[in-house]
Amino acid sequence: EIVLTQSPGTLSLSPGEGATLSCRASQSVSSSYLAWYQQKRGQAPRLLIYGTYSRATGIPDRFSGSGSGTDFTLTISRLEPEDFAVYYCQHYGSSPGSFGQGTKLEIK
Amino acid sequence: EVQMVESGGGLVQPGRSLRLSCTASGFTFGDYAMSWFRQAPGKGLEWVGFIRRKASGGTTEYAASVKGRFTISRDDSKSIAYLQMNSLKTEDTAVYYCTRDKVVNFDYYYYYMDVWGKGTTVTVSS
Repeated sequence: EIVLTQSPGTLSLSPGEGATLSCRASQSVSSSYLAWYQQKRGQAPRLLIYGTYSRATGIPDRFSGSGSGTDFTLTISRLEPEDFAVYYCQHYGSSPGSFGQGTKLEIK
Repeated sequence: EVQMVESGGGLVQPGRSLRLSCTASGFTFGDYAMSWFRQAPGKGLEWVGFIRRKASGGTTEYAASVKGRFTISRDDSKSIAYLQMNSLKTEDTAVYYCTRDKVVNFDYYYYYMDVWGKGTTVTVSS
């Protein structure tokens, strides 16, 4: 089983700043099978990124994904107030897939 | 608009049963696999199980923590997926989400979840 470790656990930033969230896999995985989800407080998760790089429908271009092998990154270029949430990475190159434990992005 | 709406949650005693429904709209329900996830208070996301589309056999898979107690089914004519939960335990307390699954590898059934419902809360307590 592939274990995903997200870092940092909590990231404190201000609106307008850029954010970099990390997801590390316990072994090399295909970049075709890495997704990111956003979960705002009290809401359901929402798909942001799939296949490491592809934005889901309706996701602003300030969100971007990158990475390969064991290290993957979600970058938010200019934080908007609505971006403060918990972010989960998911590896889906197995059935079922596995999630990281989440990174909480909070307002500084 | 593509959406999924869960219902059927509530307070139930340990050992009892509950059936959740997930009603989909805005897309051809029968073309998709569906999953159920849950999230205990203050915790991360836990996969519960999924059901393949009929064209892939309509078969199901479950997490070890619920296997033998939970059953997922689907009624494509009504665009509804069900989660039958029997022998409930206090540790089953969570918000339950249904998802539409985007399968990218049908041989191994690799998929991500491209649509989530808003969730329904299940509380198991005496």
